[in-house]
Amino acid sequence: AQSVTQPDIHITVSEGASLELRCNYSYGATPYLFWYVQSPGQGLQLLLKYFSGDTLVQGIKGFEAEFKRSQSSFNLRKPSVHWSDAAEYFCAVTPMEYGNKLVFGAGTILRVKS
Amino acid sequence: DGGITQSPKYLFRKEGQNVTLSCEQNLNHDAMYWYRQDPGQGLRLIYYSQIVNDFQKGDIAEGYSVSREKKESFPLTVTSAQKNPTAFYLCASRRDYGYTFGSGTRLTVV
Repeated sequence: AQSVTQPDIHITVSEGASLELRCNYSYGATPYLFWYVQSPGQGLQLLLKYFSGDTLVQGIKGFEAEFKRSQSSFNLRKPSVHWSDAAEYFCAVTPMEYGNKLVFGAGTILRVKS
Repeated sequence: DGGITQSPKYLFRKEGQNVTLSCEQNLNHDAMYWYRQDPGQGLRLIYYSQIVNDFQKGDIAEGYSVSREKKESFPLTVTSAQKNPTAFYLCASRRDYGYTFGSGTRLTVV
C-alpha cells in the first residue's frame, strides 16, 4: 500500500546528543517531501521541505534532512538537541498521483532528557 | 499578520448533536483543507477545496460536511453520523506547495 512510514513512535535523547528521525515513503514517483513539528495542542510548523536539487536540505532551528532516492527516505537530523526540541515530528509528502494533498506519517514523539 | 484562525480552541458537544468548526484565512490562498488528528495516526484528510464553491472528499469524509462559499472561509460540520468525533481538527490553506496550518480545535463529544 502507498504510505508514509515513521517507524519510531517515541524517541528519547539526552540534551546535547544528536538526533535522527526516520521517514520512508512508498509512492511510484518521487513526491515533494516535508517535515513539520507540532507542540502539544498547537498547529504544525514547517521545518524544511524538498522539491528537487541538492538532496541535503537545511531548515529552521538547526534541523536538516537528507533525501535518498534509492532508499525512498527523507530522514531528519539535528547535531545537538535542545530541551525545547521536545515535540511531535511529522513527515509528509505530496504524491504526484494525489495532486496537491499532503499525506502524513503517524508522527514521532521526541522526548529530551537533561 | 496573515494566517489561519480556527475557532473555538476547545469544543464540547453532546452525542448526537451536529457541531460546526470554523476556519478563516486572510492569506488569499485558493486551496483549503481539513485534517483530523488522533494519537498515533498522524493527520488524515477529511475534505479539501481547491476553489470557491467546490470541494472534494478526502480519505475519511464519512460523517462530515463542508462548504466553501467564500475564499476566506471553510467551515467543517461534524454530524451525528460521525461515529467517533472526539479528536483534534486542523485546518490548512495552500498556495503552490506552501501550506499554512491553523492552531486547531479540540472537539470532545460526551
